[in-house]
Amino acid sequence: DAKTTQPPSMDCAEGRAANLPCNHSTISGNEYVYWYRQIHSQGPQYIIHGLKNNETNEMASLIITEDRKSSTLILPHATLRDTAVYYCIVRPRVSGSARQLTFGSGTQLTVLP
Amino acid sequence: DGGITQSPKYLFRKEGQNVTLSCEQNLNHDAMYWYRQDPGQGLRLIYYSQIVNDFQKGDIAEGYSVSREKKESFPLTVTSAQKNPTAFYLCATARQILGDEQYFGPGTRLTVT
Repeated sequence: DAKTTQPPSMDCAEGRAANLPCNHSTISGNEYVYWYRQIHSQGPQYIIHGLKNNETNEMASLIITEDRKSSTLILPHATLRDTAVYYCIVRPRVSGSARQLTFGSGTQLTVLP
Repeated sequence: DGGITQSPKYLFRKEGQNVTLSCEQNLNHDAMYWYRQDPGQGLRLIYYSQIVNDFQKGDIAEGYSVSREKKESFPLTVTSAQKNPTAFYLCATARQILGDEQYFGPGTRLTVT
């Protein structure tokens, strides 16, 4: 899986958009960008994934640059419950392997009241 | 969570005792995984299963055993042979093994003294 780089921490004011960047300059053509988050003492939570087009779901939006070397996860209206460690993962969707999740160090997002 | 149940949330055992952690899912997912997470660390794969009556070792299977007799259930036994069993154990599921997004249970925090 391609290596990813994320800032170790970010703050965001409650109600404002949180924009979490991720660099993945060695991404290959069949690799998707996935985002997960882990709230303290809970299991990780899948957020969103994409290949090259921007994606949006009820939780977040994912913006992937045209060259696919970086992406941004956007939480449009951050709440205190969004405080968590956010992980950007790049991995292929191919058959024949377990494809375990490998989390890097992630970004600790703290939403401030 | 949301269809994945792990019980109990906290478990205490004496050294030398085997202990079985429960994981049940009603998502009709084929693939199930067990991960271990130590404080401040990422996930490490213990075992995974992509179909009933079949399972494979992950990176740290020594001292653990699993079974997959039903699609909905994937219990993990931590045996006395596991040298450092105290950890946060996470069960995850995915529609298929081929790299789909994984959904996690709430976790079981095991403490062995």
